[in-house]
Amino acid sequence: GAVVSQHPSWVICKSGTSVKIECRSLDFQATTMFWYRQFPKQSLMLMATSNEGSKATYEQGVEKDKFLINHASLTLSTLTVTSAHPEDSSFYICSGVQPPVNEQFFGPGTRLTVL
Amino acid sequence: SQKIEQNSEALNIQEGKTATLTCNYTNYSPAYLQWYRQDPGRGPVFLLLIRENEKEKRKERLKVTFDTTLKQSLFHITASQPADSATYLCALDPLGAAGNKLTFGGGTRVLVKP
Repeated sequence: GAVVSQHPSWVICKSGTSVKIECRSLDFQATTMFWYRQFPKQSLMLMATSNEGSKATYEQGVEKDKFLINHASLTLSTLTVTSAHPEDSSFYICSGVQPPVNEQFFGPGTRLTVL
Repeated sequence: SQKIEQNSEALNIQEGKTATLTCNYTNYSPAYLQWYRQDPGRGPVFLLLIRENEKEKRKERLKVTFDTTLKQSLFHITASQPADSATYLCALDPLGAAGNKLTFGGGTRVLVKP
């Protein structure tokens, strides 16, 4: 299957700083990418839909000014957590949709810890 | 309200036996349902997709059923092996095929003992 990578795989930052997470589709072009958040022992919660060349669509309750998403190319989407706080500590996972079958391929996730 | 429910209790099973997991949903009309495997600290890995007009799908030792009347999918792992130990997530398209969005259940952890 297709491969999606994320960078970094883990990051520790101080409260108030911003963190950028990259999501790349390595062997296919993804016009749509999704960003999820997963807290310990909980399921994946969709945060936003990222479409190449247009603004991201955020799920209800997700602050778009806090979680900035940029999908500048067909193989790269970035999620920037601005002014991070300890409650933002979580496992962030992206997925890319591969046309034409529209199957979703998930990245390995990024563990964010905010001190 | 809309819900996707999976048994939150871990399923402990002896090697060689069949593990059966349940996914029930409420107030959705999905066009398809998917099952994923997730290992600790990793992203989900796609296993199977079953469409609303399909009753059953198989892939190697895995079998999925989909009953749109009962609003339930069953996921079976036959001849289970310790390497099958993981959390299994069901997911459906909340908009009924109008896009690729997925909504996930809480997952069921499976532990296969040798």
